[in-house]
Amino acid sequence: DAGVTQSPTHLIKTRGQQVTLRCSPKSGHDTVSWYQQALGQGPQFIFQYYEEEERQRGNFPDRFSGHQFPNYSSELNVNALLLGDSALYLCASSFKGQGTYEQYFGPGTRLTVT
Amino acid sequence: AQSVTQPDIHITVSEGASLELRCNYSYGATPYLFWYVQSPGQGLQLLLKYFSGDTLVQGIKGFEAEFKRSQSSFNLRKPSVHWSDAAEYFCAVTDTTNDYKLSFGAGTTVTVRA
Repeated sequence: DAGVTQSPTHLIKTRGQQVTLRCSPKSGHDTVSWYQQALGQGPQFIFQYYEEEERQRGNFPDRFSGHQFPNYSSELNVNALLLGDSALYLCASSFKGQGTYEQYFGPGTRLTVT
Repeated sequence: AQSVTQPDIHITVSEGASLELRCNYSYGATPYLFWYVQSPGQGLQLLLKYFSGDTLVQGIKGFEAEFKRSQSSFNLRKPSVHWSDAAEYFCAVTDTTNDYKLSFGAGTTVTVRA
């Protein structure tokens, strides 16, 4: 049973560029959430997707956007990158019908903005 | 406002000694509580969770945690630490009104000395 997978593992971008990160949820899960973890901090909630719609959003600017596909996989897009966007981006999946609020995390994508 | 506090930034413990990590939360609704562990460069692994019922919950890797509503705490414990327990530990909280959005503490780094 494959867990949550994310790609790429690492990437380096320049300020002002755009980036797309990808996530495949754990088998049987229908909900994907994205978190940003800056160095030395706890993860911060960016947004959550369920039934291909954004259901909740954290305190992040509109430069952060996402998408969920019919197969439940998801993308996180960040436009006009800033140095402060350098972080580990974590994807978590869950199954709403389970009602247990458990989230399973992927290994993350390390984004460096120079 | 909802918040999670992990008062200890860094704890050093000898191998074989006991470990306790503190977590305090501020939530209006009934909380669902989690402890995650993160090894360097890795994603988050769920150690244990509390939703309701018995306030002492058992998790993986020999960890347990106790929910104390009167103290708004959910402290993590392990009777005998192994060198492989060196990692960063995060307490996280959600509730039914937040629908899977996890709020994390800043984390506690555990160092194990021989």
